[in-house]
Amino acid sequence: DIQMTQSPSSLYASVGDRVIITCRASQSITRYLNWYQQKPGKAPNLLIYGASTLQSGVPSRFSGSGSGTDFTLTITSLQPEDFATYYCQQSFAALRTFGQGTKVEIK
Amino acid sequence: QLQLQESGPGLVKPSETLSLTCSVSGDSISSRNYYWGWIRQPPGKGLEYIGSMYVSGSTYDNPSLKSRVTISLDTSKNQFSLKLSSVTDADTAIYYCASDFWSGYSRIESWGQGTLVTVSS
Repeated sequence: DIQMTQSPSSLYASVGDRVIITCRASQSITRYLNWYQQKPGKAPNLLIYGASTLQSGVPSRFSGSGSGTDFTLTITSLQPEDFATYYCQQSFAALRTFGQGTKVEIK
Repeated sequence: QLQLQESGPGLVKPSETLSLTCSVSGDSISSRNYYWGWIRQPPGKGLEYIGSMYVSGSTYDNPSLKSRVTISLDTSKNQFSLKLSSVTDADTAIYYCASDFWSGYSRIESWGQGTLVTVSS
């Protein structure tokens, strides 16, 4: 299985802050990396696919970068509705795997 | 836009089989664009990919579940199903059905709302 490791596991931030979450794959996944946002009691919501393509309807303050094994999700100017848990997921292998999640909390 | 909705018992006894169904609207499950899959999330924990199935019959199951998983498609009802046998309390989780868009950079674009299944006697 391809292991996905996110860091940090949690972070505290304020509205307006720039937030960076990293995701590392245990082997190269080229650009087959997706990011999801999950709010309490809700299903995850696709933010970014193919490492950097913004899903339709997702605000442009979200961006993704990286290739190979190292990836980042950046939220510029954090908004109140962005406090949530974020997951990376690889779609390189048929057995999809997720990172353990990064919880973004209010400072 | 695809819409998915899980249904099934919320309580299953240990050693029995968990059975869930996902009803799909907005596209046919015979579409060649999607793998139809299941993902679960134990309370307060992260996401685990259970497995998925393509209209051709190809399936991918998580080996960590030790061959307890059966996923099937019912094209006449536009539904797909999950069976997980020999459940234990470790299988207590929110179960999501999902459409894995299998074109270009594959991604899960649509999810069901999730259904909590508790394993308890």
